[in-house]
Amino acid sequence: RKEVEQDPGPFNVPEGATVAFNCTYSNSASQSFFWYRQDCRKEPKLLMSVYSSGNEDGRFTAQLNRASQYISLLIRDSKLSDSATYLCVVNKINSGNTPLVFGKGTRLSVIA
Amino acid sequence: GAVVSQHPSRVICKSGTSVKIECRSLDFQATTMFWYRQFPKQSLMLMATSNEGSKATYEQGVEKDKFLINHASLTLSTLTVTSAHPEDSSFYICSAREIGSGETQYFGPGTRLLVL
Repeated sequence: RKEVEQDPGPFNVPEGATVAFNCTYSNSASQSFFWYRQDCRKEPKLLMSVYSSGNEDGRFTAQLNRASQYISLLIRDSKLSDSATYLCVVNKINSGNTPLVFGKGTRLSVIA
Repeated sequence: GAVVSQHPSRVICKSGTSVKIECRSLDFQATTMFWYRQFPKQSLMLMATSNEGSKATYEQGVEKDKFLINHASLTLSTLTVTSAHPEDSSFYICSAREIGSGETQYFGPGTRLLVL
């Protein structure tokens, strides 16, 4: 089983739509969770951390279910500029320096 | 936010040559930097963890003699791809974690390597 699994998409949605991405991780001892955004041929950029209680940042809402080892990202009122690949990221805990483990990403295209 | 730079941003070289990529944290100190590689339509794969003043820790399947890492200061780590071959062509990205900032990592803009 892969460490972090995501539906690769693509998700093609009209402007204004609500879209949700899901992610599962294999290591139950993982402690830190993130969503990153990666534009084509660019480096990943942190979108938001994911907390156990769930957290919201503007149009973005992240949820974590530790029992199911499941992370989600909800984007409301999609904008054209939201088109990108969204990476589910979990820390690799078998190392004191905790590098990150990336999912393959879910591609989103928001269409006018 | 914190800034990480990489140099060069793009390099094309002949098979058999060595290529050095620099990763710098510009406005913060990082005891640990990470090197990732990303092939087209694939996820970022961790290659190694670079620790200032000590030997790097390599992930399984990554040859330490081929991918030489040096982390001589708190703001600079270098990755040297020795005797590069076409299969080494990829997008190499470094990240750095600021001392005391928790888990947040800041990524460099990446280096595109094309080996002919």
